[in-house]
Amino acid sequence: QKEVEQNSGPLSVPEGAIASLNCTYSDRGSQSFFWYRQYSGKSPELIMSIYSNGDKEDGRFTAQLNKASQYVSLLIRDSQPSDSATYLCAVNKGGSTLGRLYFGRGTQLTVWP
Amino acid sequence: DARVTQTPRHKVTEMGQEVTMRCQPILGHNTVFWYRQTMMQGLELLAYFRNRAPLDDSGMPKDRFSAEMPDATLATLKIQPSEPRDSAVYFCASGLVASGNTIYFGEGSWLTVV
Repeated sequence: QKEVEQNSGPLSVPEGAIASLNCTYSDRGSQSFFWYRQYSGKSPELIMSIYSNGDKEDGRFTAQLNKASQYVSLLIRDSQPSDSATYLCAVNKGGSTLGRLYFGRGTQLTVWP
Repeated sequence: DARVTQTPRHKVTEMGQEVTMRCQPILGHNTVFWYRQTMMQGLELLAYFRNRAPLDDSGMPKDRFSAEMPDATLATLKIQPSEPRDSAVYFCASGLVASGNTIYFGEGSWLTVV
């Protein structure tokens, strides 16, 4: 079983729609969860982090965490063509200490005008 | 604008040659990671350091890969001898324990071994 699994995609949504990206993780002791965005040919960049159960909103982005279900999601509201990228879910298994980050394979999102 | 700097950005080399990739972490960051990204495997952690000491290099093929931090401003990843299967993008990332668990990636070194 992989440490972090993401819905394989690709995901295609029209401009203005809500894009929903999902991720599950295997280690119940994981404490820190991240969403990175990676444009083609570029490096991953952090867009959201979440540490507690529930929702965390930042502009058009909302991260949701459910530790009981070992599930993390990212919602992108009012999707824009510039959101087209691969989204990587990452999980820190090292408790509250910065340690080894496990990444999912990523979900490729395309937002069409 | 603080950022992680990697060199070289692109490298094409012949099988059997030695390859050295260098990384300058963000000033003040005490944790440095080396990741490799391929289409097949995604992002894989090769090794990471805290305060220049290696904490985990279990993801690295020990027979040909080595990683070091000669000083706080330089991390190196060396492949000797290189093989075509080493072709990938190698990312360095750095973070600071006191700032939570956020890590920042460099732009990557794109390696092609022919």
